[in-house]
Amino acid sequence: EAGVAQSPRYKIIEKRQSVAFWCNPISGHATLYWYQQILGQGPKLLIQFQNNGVVDDSQLPKDRFSAERLKGVDSTLKIQPAKLEDSAVYLCASSPLGLTRYEQYFGPGTRLTVT
Amino acid sequence: DAKTTQPTSMDCAEGRAANLPCNHSTISGNEYVYWYRQIHSQGPQYIIHGLKNNETNEMASLIITEDRKSSTLILPHATLRDTAVYYCIVTGRAGGTSYGKLTFGQGTILTVHP
Repeated sequence: EAGVAQSPRYKIIEKRQSVAFWCNPISGHATLYWYQQILGQGPKLLIQFQNNGVVDDSQLPKDRFSAERLKGVDSTLKIQPAKLEDSAVYLCASSPLGLTRYEQYFGPGTRLTVT
Repeated sequence: DAKTTQPTSMDCAEGRAANLPCNHSTISGNEYVYWYRQIHSQGPQYIIHGLKNNETNEMASLIITEDRKSSTLILPHATLRDTAVYYCIVTGRAGGTSYGKLTFGQGTILTVHP
């Protein structure tokens, strides 16, 4: 079974530039998550999709971050404009739908450096 | 969601059992205990979860106290590849507003020595 795919793996941009990350979840997984992990901290949930609808985006800085999940499969996360404090690893995860199935399967992440 | 408390770091000798504790004294009746780990430069990996009973799978065992206020993750024969950050997470109840949501803390850095 193929895992969660993310691209690019690394990205370096200057502050005020824009950047986009792509995620392809495990086939058939209804739920998709984007996390931000700052160095030395645990991952923090930014947004959760169920199929192509947003379930939770309470921690997404909506003035600069946006995300979409077209057709309930792939997803993109965009930052515009980037700030220095956005330097982090952006992780995508997916999960099957089910009342007791909370397991999330994570991709390798995209390491973003904002200079 | 209930908050968890874990030691910042632990060491273990290769081949020995690694016992990672977690306190979750405010856990509610239908909240699950989940364990994930994150090896350097990788995404977190699901290990095991439980509600009330002890659980075992091919990776680890999970021991939950009878009052459910604490748990221990056991790696029976630790190897160098088990060196990672281990996260203990209490999830929201099914049907609740935090359903399916994982809130990661700082975790325990486990270092397995030769």
